[in-house]
Amino acid sequence: KQEVTQIPAALSVPEGENLVLNCSFTDSAIYNLQWFRQDPGKGLTSLLLIQSSQREQTSGRLNASLDKSSGRSTLYIAASQPGDSATYLCAVRPAYHKLVFGKGTKLTVNP
Amino acid sequence: NAGVTQTPKFQVLKTGQSMTLQCAQDMNHEYMSWYRQDPGMGLRLIHYSVGAGITDQGEVPNGYNVSRSTTEDFPLRLLSAAPSQTSVYFCASSAGAQNTGELFFGEGSRLTVL
Repeated sequence: KQEVTQIPAALSVPEGENLVLNCSFTDSAIYNLQWFRQDPGKGLTSLLLIQSSQREQTSGRLNASLDKSSGRSTLYIAASQPGDSATYLCAVRPAYHKLVFGKGTKLTVNP
Repeated sequence: NAGVTQTPKFQVLKTGQSMTLQCAQDMNHEYMSWYRQDPGMGLRLIHYSVGAGITDQGEVPNGYNVSRSTTEDFPLRLLSAAPSQTSVYFCASSAGAQNTGELFFGEGSRLTVL
C-alpha cells in the first residue's frame, strides 16, 4: 500500500531564508507527483507537477525534484516571504484514478 | 475562468438528513473525484469517475453516493448524515490519462452534522 510521509509537520523560518520541504513515498511505481499549497479555510492550489519520467520542475521561486528510486521528492522555496506561509501537501499518483496524499508541512515565514 | 466549482460552501445538517454537494468543472476533464479532509487523517478519496456514466469507489465510500450523467457535473449525495461525516469535502478534476494528469481542486464544502 502506497504511503506518503512529509517531514517536518511544521516549520518556522525567518523571511528571506531558502528552505526545503521533504516528501517520501513507499512505492516507486507512480504515474506522477504533485505539490499543492493550501491556505487556511481554502482549497488546494497546484504548485508543481512532476511526471514519473522527469527529475524536476521549476516555477518562479519554487523547484521540485523527484527521485523515484529512493522514493523521495523535495520542494525548494527560494527567498521565502511571509506570503509563502501555508500548508504544503505532496501527493503521488500510483494509478490514473487515485492520488495518495501526505499530511502536509505547515510553513510559517516570519517577517 | 471558473475551474472547479463547489456548492454549498457551508452546510449544517441534523443526523439522518440527506443532502447533495454539487461539483461542476468547465475544463472538459474526464476524471473527477471527491475527497474528504479531516484533521490528522489527511485527504481521503471517497468516489471517483473516469468519464460520464462511469463511477467507482475510493477509500472511504460508505454513506455516500455519486453519479456522473454529464462530463461537467459530479454530485456527491449523503444518504443519511451522521456526525462522523462532519468534514471538509473537496471535488477535484483532471484531464484524461493521455494528458498531464494535473489535478485541480474546488474551494471545498464545509459540512457539520449535529
